Amino acid sequence: GESVGLHLPTLSVQEGDNSIINCAYSNSASDYFIWYKQESGKGPQFIIDIRSNMDKRQGQRVTVLLNKTVKHLSLQIAATQPGDSAVYFCAENRDDKIIFGKGTRLHILP
Amino acid sequence: KAGVTQTPRYLIKTRGQQVTLSCSPISGHRSVSWYQQTPGQGLQFLFEYFSETQRNKGNFPGRFSGRQFSNSRSEMNVSTLELGDSALYLCASGTGWGSYEQYFGPGTRLTVT
Repeated sequence: GESVGLHLPTLSVQEGDNSIINCAYSNSASDYFIWYKQESGKGPQFIIDIRSNMDKRQGQRVTVLLNKTVKHLSLQIAATQPGDSAVYFCAENRDDKIIFGKGTRLHILP
Repeated sequence: KAGVTQTPRYLIKTRGQQVTLSCSPISGHRSVSWYQQTPGQGLQFLFEYFSETQRNKGNFPGRFSGRQFSNSRSEMNVSTLELGDSALYLCASGTGWGSYEQYFGPGTRLTVT
C-alpha cells in the first residue's frame, strides 16, 4: 500500500553536529509535505513544509529537501541542540488528510 | 493567543463504556481535526470538521464520531470502548478546510481497562 515512512526509528547525534532525518513516500500524487516535532507529553509541533514544486526550503536552523525522482524527503537540523531532542514525523497532505509516518526519535549526545 | 486546549487530559474507562473528548481550537480557527496516536499504529487521521460540517474521515469504525459547534469547539465520541482504543487522542486546529498548517493540542490520554 501507499504510505509515508521514515528509514530509522532512532538517531543519535552529537550536540553541535548537524542532524539528517530521512523519509520515504510512495504516493507520487502527493503534492505537499510537512515535518513535525513531538516532544514528550506534547502534541506535534509544525516545523517546516514544502510543496512538490520545490526541491528545497529553509527555515531557522532547518532545511527540508525533496527528491521527487526517488520519492525521498529529508529534514536537516543545523548545530543540533539538546532542545532538539524529540520524535520527528514526516507527513503528507493527501486528499486533504494529513498522513503521518512512523517517526524518528532524535537523541542528542553530550 | 491561547493554543489548542483539550479536556480532559487523562481518562480511564472500562470496556463497553463510551467517552466524549473535547477540543477548543485557537481563536479564529474554523477547522478541527482529530487523530489517534498509538505506539503500534502511530498517528492516524480520524476526521476533520470545518464550519460544523465533517469534511473528511479516516478509516475508523462507526463507533468513532464527532461534531463541531458554532463556536468551532469540537467533541469526539467513542462508543462501546475496546481495549485497543487506548491511545493518545490529538486535536489540531487550522484556519481553513484541509488546512495545511495545523496546530496541535496536548492530547487526551485514554486508557481502556
